[in-house]
Amino acid sequence: AQSVTQLGSHVSVSEGALVLLRCNYSSSVPPYLFWYVQYPNQGLQLLLKYTSAATLVKGINGFEAEFKKSETSFHLTKPSAHMRDAAEYFCAVTEYTGNQFYFGTGTSLTVIP
Amino acid sequence: EPEVTQTPSHQVTQMGQEVILRCVPISNHLYFYWYRQILGQKVEFLVSFYNNEISEKSEIFDDQFSVERPDGSNFTLKIRSTKLEDSAMYFCASSEALGGVSYEQYFGPGTRLTVT
Repeated sequence: AQSVTQLGSHVSVSEGALVLLRCNYSSSVPPYLFWYVQYPNQGLQLLLKYTSAATLVKGINGFEAEFKKSETSFHLTKPSAHMRDAAEYFCAVTEYTGNQFYFGTGTSLTVIP
Repeated sequence: EPEVTQTPSHQVTQMGQEVILRCVPISNHLYFYWYRQILGQKVEFLVSFYNNEISEKSEIFDDQFSVERPDGSNFTLKIRSTKLEDSAMYFCASSEALGGVSYEQYFGPGTRLTVT
């Protein structure tokens, strides 16, 4: 069975500070991992995805994530937070042939001016 | 950029009533999905739909739920007799094809269903 755990339902950072949103996964097969972002009143937008090519994945808006098999983690980072990064972030896992995504509970990011 | 749309954005209904949540997937997509998120909980998969039939469903998707593609553009989720625990945000998604790695699922903004 596959699952995702996101540590920290709320994260606050100062503008310009490092953003670190944590995601740990559980999967019985090689996982494919995703980060989605949801801005207020909008749908889930794909930030980046891990497809077993490079372990360090770069996404949109300056975000990146590193797949660490030994730690079963896929943490999302951004070197310098911007006010527009304030949103809800979801980590998700699926199998290559699966059509079902397993999501975490989400992390709400607040950026303090 | 094409997007998935959902209506209504917020639906309030009384327990026992039927509700239909509507979605318009991206026009060239072939796979359609419904997910839900109960407040403070995970986004959970409900069902996937392809070629006018359900391809996969979760244990949440019981006989109270049904999906339909009534025409060439809409994709609906019907809850036959709503319960208080059906209160949640319901997300529709679509993808060009199967396989989460190659074919991204595009999500709509969600419909917040409140059952009173």
